Amino acid sequence: AQTVTQSQPEMSVQEAETVTLSCTYDTSESNYYLFWYKQPPSRQMILVIRQEAYKQQNATENRFSVNFQKAAKSFSLKISDSQLGDTAMYFCAGLYGNKLVFGAGTILRVKS
Amino acid sequence: NAGVMQNPRHLVRRRGQEARLRCSPMKGHSHVYWYRQLPEEGLKFMVYLQKENIIDESGMPKERFSAEFPKEGPSILRIQQVVRGDSAAYFCASSPPDSSNQPQHFGDGTRLSIL
Repeated sequence: AQTVTQSQPEMSVQEAETVTLSCTYDTSESNYYLFWYKQPPSRQMILVIRQEAYKQQNATENRFSVNFQKAAKSFSLKISDSQLGDTAMYFCAGLYGNKLVFGAGTILRVKS
Repeated sequence: NAGVMQNPRHLVRRRGQEARLRCSPMKGHSHVYWYRQLPEEGLKFMVYLQKENIIDESGMPKERFSAEFPKEGPSILRIQQVVRGDSAAYFCASSPPDSSNQPQHFGDGTRLSIL
């Protein structure tokens, strides 16, 4: 069975600073994809970044980057230069076959 | 360039009634997924459909819940004889035909409230 674990229920960061959200996962599959989704107060689900398991290079999207440690099954999200609009719930998810498995989420609050 | 469209955005039902949730995938997408988000929890997979076929329904409750994706029209998630525990946000996602390991694009969800 595939699992995704986010051990930080809540995080806070000052505007313009950097924050890292943790995620670990477990799977026996050799080919899979990992994602971070953002859910703001509007409750939409917005794709932030994706990582292909067979790629060594960490994915980067503007201020968002991941630290993918395949052997440790770790997939953390780093947000640089945090902005007030980054305040949201962040979900880590693994795509196994056609099924997304989500973690429980981390609430991130960006303070001015 | 419309994304995944779900309606209604909010749905209120009394216990014992039926709830129908609709989802129109993105243009060019033929794969539809339904997820449920209970309060204060992450999303949980329910069912994966392609046109006229249920591919994986391993996350669907065995009773009262059904889903379809007809040849024409939106995908429908149907909940019969709703109970309080069905109150949740129901999200639909879609992906293109060559969907292996492609990101799923989500609709805005339907918030179902059971009185």
